[in-house]
Amino acid sequence: AQKITQTQPGMFVQEKEAVTLDCTYDTSDPSYGLFWYKQPSSGEMIFLIYQGSYDQQNATEGRYSLNFQKARKSANLVISASQLGDSAMYFCAMRLSGYSTLTFGKGTMLLVSP
Amino acid sequence: DTAVSQTPKYLVTQMGNDKSIKCEQNLGHDTMYWYKQDSKKFLKIMFSYNNKELIINETVPNRFSPKSPDKAHLNLHINSLELGDSAVYFCASSQETGVNSPLHFGNGTRLTVT
Repeated sequence: AQKITQTQPGMFVQEKEAVTLDCTYDTSDPSYGLFWYKQPSSGEMIFLIYQGSYDQQNATEGRYSLNFQKARKSANLVISASQLGDSAMYFCAMRLSGYSTLTFGKGTMLLVSP
Repeated sequence: DTAVSQTPKYLVTQMGNDKSIKCEQNLGHDTMYWYKQDSKKFLKIMFSYNNKELIINETVPNRFSPKSPDKAHLNLHINSLELGDSAVYFCASSQETGVNSPLHFGNGTRLTVT
């Protein structure tokens, strides 16, 4: 069974600084995908970034990058130059091969202060 | 154009009632899902359908019955509502079931059972 762990219930960062949100995962399946989602206070779930287990390079999408360390089974999200609008709940999720769904971590609440 | 739309956005009802939540996606995806987000923000898969066929049913009480009339629609009917059913229910879709296929979520339905 797969498992996603987000150990930071809450994180604070000042505007314009970078922040790293931690995510570790556990699976014995060699093929898997890792995803990050953002849930602002308005409630919608927004897909941010994806990393495949066989990808050689870390994924990047604008100000979001994924620090993928396969041996450590970690997939940390890095947000550069934080903005007030980045304040939200962030979820790490994993998907295995075959007919599987996304399994989510418990989330990290990020607050960006001026 | 809304990609995954679910109605209603809010649903307030009394214990024992029966209610339905509708979901439609216009992305042409083959796979649809229902997730439940509890009061602690934890997201848990309930059901997954692929081309109108149920492929995942995660130990959900049989008071919950999903119905997929076609691959663009996945509705959720709940019988004999209980207080513990209060949560936010998210519908989602994905292009396929592969590890690299993100889920696209609707905006959620906040169900309150009194």
